[in-house]
Order: sequence, then C-alpha cells, then structure tokens
Amino acid sequence: AQKITQTQPGMFVQEKEAVTLDCTYDTSDPSYGLFWYKQPSSGEMIFLIYQGSYDQQNATEGRYSLNFQKARKSANLVISASQLGDSAMYFCAIWNNDMRFGAGTRLTVKP
Amino acid sequence: NAGVTQTPKFRILKIGQSMTLQCTQDMNHNYMYWYRQDPGMGLKLIYYSVGAGITDKGEVPNGYNVSRSTTEDFPLRLELAAPSQTSVYFCASSSTRVLGNTIYFGEGSWLTVV
Repeated sequence: AQKITQTQPGMFVQEKEAVTLDCTYDTSDPSYGLFWYKQPSSGEMIFLIYQGSYDQQNATEGRYSLNFQKARKSANLVISASQLGDSAMYFCAIWNNDMRFGAGTRLTVKP
Repeated sequence: NAGVTQTPKFRILKIGQSMTLQCTQDMNHNYMYWYRQDPGMGLKLIYYSVGAGITDKGEVPNGYNVSRSTTEDFPLRLELAAPSQTSVYFCASSSTRVLGNTIYFGEGSWLTVV
C-alpha cells in the first residue's frame, strides 16, 4: 500500500514570505496522484493542488505550487507571499484507488 | 449544491452503544470513503467503496462496518462503541479512477464515546 510522510509537525513563517511544506511518499504503482489539502481550525478539508505522477510540469494554483521530484518521491508544497489566513493544518495525500494522508503540518503565519 | 452530506454533525455515545453515521453524495461519484481524524493527527482511511455493492477495508477498519447499496449512500456503522472511537469522522467521494479528480469531503462528524 502507498505511504505518505510529512516530517514537519509545525512550521512558522513571516507574513508575505514564502514557505515550503515537505512531503515524501512511497508507492510501487507508477500511476498515482498527489494532493495537498488545507484544514483550518473550523475543520473542513479544502483542496489546494493536485499533481499526477505522469505530469511533466509542476502544478501551480495561484499562490500554491507543488515541487514534484519524482525520483526522490517528494511532493513539497510551496506557498508564496504567506497571508495570515494561511495559518492552518496542511495535509499531503497520495491517491491510487484510495486516498492516504500524511500526519499533517501545522503552519502558523506571523504578522 | 449539496455535495457530500454527512449526519449527525455531533454525537455523544455511551460505551457499548451502536450508531450509524450517514453519508450521501449527489455528484454521482463512484468512489466513496470514510476517514477518521484523531486530535492533532492526519486522516486514517477506515473503509472505501468503488461502486454500489463493493466495499474494501482501509487502514483502520476494526470496529466499523459499511454498506453501499446505492451510488449515493455510504453509511458507517459502529456496533459496540469504545472510547478509542472518539474522533472526527469524514465522509468523502470522488469520481472514477481517472487521476486528477479531487476528493470532496463532507463537513465532518464529531463523535465522543464516554
């Protein structure tokens, strides 16, 4: 079964700066998808960005970009120009017939 | 636009009681999932279904049962509630296995077993 690892329990970033949240994965299947979700204190899961295993280019969605390094099996999330509203839990997930999540990283944006 | 709807939102159960968490989606998605999220932790997959009549165990299926009689509904049953099942439960759905389709989550159900 696939496995996903987030090694940063918590991260701090200054408002307007960029931050990278780490994610590594393990799967034996060549076809998979990688996702990032945001979970604010209210609890809902908000989809941020997706990267397919066969996608040649790194995915971008507004201020979010995914640094996909297939050989290293990493899929780091980069948030540019951090905002106070970015403070939340961030989950990396891998999809192949089912979705498995990492333990999450709590991001705190300082004013 | 309802999306994924799960009920109840909050519930307190006594040890040994049974209950069913309801989940329904109106997007005609084939795939449906149940996750649990313990405080400060990530989501753990309990069960999932790839279509009506088909269910499979996830990472943490013990103590739970599911059924999928229709495309829309995917209820989660707790037969003998235990304090270890105190958690937030999320139902989710997605379309076919074609990659690139995101998973849509319900708003979560907060369950406390005392």
